[in-house]
Amino acid sequence: KQEVTQIPAALSVPEGENLVLNCSFTDSAIYNLQWFRQDPGKGLTSLLLIQSSQREQTSGRLNASLDKSSGRSTLYIAASQPGDSATYLCAVPDFGNEKLTFGTGTRLTIIP
Amino acid sequence: DAGVIQSPRHEVTEMGQEVTLRCKPISGHDYLFWYRQTMMRGLELLIYFNNNVPIDDSGMPEDRFSAKMPNASFSTLKIQPSEPRDSAVYFCASSLRGTSRTLEQYFGPGTRLTVT
Repeated sequence: KQEVTQIPAALSVPEGENLVLNCSFTDSAIYNLQWFRQDPGKGLTSLLLIQSSQREQTSGRLNASLDKSSGRSTLYIAASQPGDSATYLCAVPDFGNEKLTFGTGTRLTIIP
Repeated sequence: DAGVIQSPRHEVTEMGQEVTLRCKPISGHDYLFWYRQTMMRGLELLIYFNNNVPIDDSGMPEDRFSAKMPNASFSTLKIQPSEPRDSAVYFCASSLRGTSRTLEQYFGPGTRLTVT
């Protein structure tokens, strides 16, 4: 059974800093990995989907990397802004079906 | 496109009452997912459909929960009878398989259910 872990559970950094969020998964037989953002009281917004054949995917100030062999992914946020404050979740699909297993998330606070 | 639409956004009901949550997926998407989110358990997949057919309902907690998808543009999640432990935020998501395995999921805003 796939298990997805995100450490730390919470992170506070001053505005303008670069930061890295971590995601670990136990079963490396995955098709892709998806990073989401969730604002308080809101739904999830897809940020990046990185295919198993890719090592990196970029969107603006966000960069996601994937290392299947080690069961790890990172989300790099450059030049953080207060608007980046949210909970960030990673998710991987079960092999052979479409079920997503989510991590517990990292609650990010950017201090102005 | 308006994205995934869910209704109601908030629902407060008394224990024992029937609750029906509604979802309209993104037009053209062939997968629909129902999730539940709580502080204790995080995000859990309840059930998902492909082309209106339920594929996996192993996450449905009990027989009190049922889900239907009568057509490609509408799905319901029903709880009967509701209990206080069903209080949670319920999300609907949709995706399109297409010719790749991308299957990026798009989430609705959720329905916050409170059972008193």
